[in-house]
Amino acid sequence: DAEITQSPRHKITETGRQVTLACHQTWNHNNMFWYRQDLGHGLRLIHYSYGVHDTNKGEVSDGYSVSRSNTEDLPLTLESAASSQTSVYFCASSESAGGPDNEQFFGPGTRLTVL
Amino acid sequence: QKEVEQDPGPLSVPEGAIVSLNCTYSNSAFQYFMWYRQYSRKGPELLMYTYSSGNKEDGRFTAQVDKSSKYISLFIRDSQPSDSATYLCAMSGNTGGFKTIFGAGTRLFVKA
Repeated sequence: DAEITQSPRHKITETGRQVTLACHQTWNHNNMFWYRQDLGHGLRLIHYSYGVHDTNKGEVSDGYSVSRSNTEDLPLTLESAASSQTSVYFCASSESAGGPDNEQFFGPGTRLTVL
Repeated sequence: QKEVEQDPGPLSVPEGAIVSLNCTYSNSAFQYFMWYRQYSRKGPELLMYTYSSGNKEDGRFTAQVDKSSKYISLFIRDSQPSDSATYLCAMSGNTGGFKTIFGAGTRLFVKA
């Protein structure tokens, strides 16, 4: 069965370190998304990609970067981790960007703590 | 003002109750309206999908969209303890590249 996986599931790091969160999907979807989820804010879009070599900034992109070298993977990098980036991060993918096929399939999440 | 407003709850109801969850929005360009369910420590999963105004029913769940009032609702009949989860409304449209905007989510507890 197709799926979307994230690794690691839990990560503790120190302020100032570079951190990369992995996202891998086997749906063969063109669209991939990274969100962070915090109490009171719901899901906020960090970056998204509509295909290989395409990346776009979302609502809360400062301090984060992504690259898309193939269809399956969209790693999220925190250039210099800050305590404000402590959050739960979700990766998602979808077949289309709009219309009835824009259901997003979410990974299990990565819980990141920055000390 | 957020594009999508959703009361975070928590909402606690007894088993068998009818639950009403709601969201309001400000962007009239939204055309696609969704409800996602998220169990604790899991990713969200699509529960209901509605295009434009009207009702959609799926088992114990009914989604309503009132575009004139910019208001959407999810009703759960005969609620069960297994319905305990966070429910996120979401919407998208032909604006900003069809990005999906999520509400903050309402935490629901159904007591046996």
